[in-house]
Amino acid sequence: KAGVTQTPRYLIKTRGQQVTLSCSPISGHRSVSWYQQTPGQGLQFLFEYFSETQRNKGNFPGRFSGRQFSNSRSEMNVSTLELGDSALYLCASSLAASRPGDTQYFGPGTRLTVL
Amino acid sequence: GENVEQHPSTLSVQEGDSAVIKCTYSDSASNYFPWYKQELGKGPQLIIDIRSNVGEKKDQRIAVTLNKTAKHFSLHITETQPEDSAVYFCAASSNAGGTSYGKLTFGQGTILTVHP
Repeated sequence: KAGVTQTPRYLIKTRGQQVTLSCSPISGHRSVSWYQQTPGQGLQFLFEYFSETQRNKGNFPGRFSGRQFSNSRSEMNVSTLELGDSALYLCASSLAASRPGDTQYFGPGTRLTVL
Repeated sequence: GENVEQHPSTLSVQEGDSAVIKCTYSDSASNYFPWYKQELGKGPQLIIDIRSNVGEKKDQRIAVTLNKTAKHFSLHITETQPEDSAVYFCAASSNAGGTSYGKLTFGQGTILTVHP
């Protein structure tokens, strides 16, 4: 079974631009969570989607948004990029998500660099 | 909200030795505790997890123990090998309701180096 895939793997943008990252979960998985990983803050939860609905959101500004499609694929968008948005963005998928604490499987991440 | 503390931040061992990484959590409602291994340029890979109704779980050279009373859990790697060198993260998830869905709270990570 194929794992979680993320595209693109690397991205370079300039301040003020916007960016869209894509995540395809493991086949059959319906929940997708997004995380930001930086050396200073570690791994931080951005948001989670299930059945095309955002069920949970972390403590990030409104510039960070996402959506999920009917095939469970998910995208996240960051508008008006700032230097501090440079990070590895990870998505994770889980199977049932009928309860908190379902096992999450991570993709390889998208490395975003903001210049 | 949940807070997870992880120690040590770096750990250096000789091949064949054991390695232990410890985490503490703050939310007594947390009931799921996974451990991830992250190699350079890759996403975190689940290596073992434990739920609050179990005190210990083993998988070959890897074991995790959970003490709910003290709110801490530990990763034990025996007979370490150079390929075990990576960054290890502990995490916790709460069963407290809507704000818990899909959310893992991570420790800061431990850089494990296994010297041949």
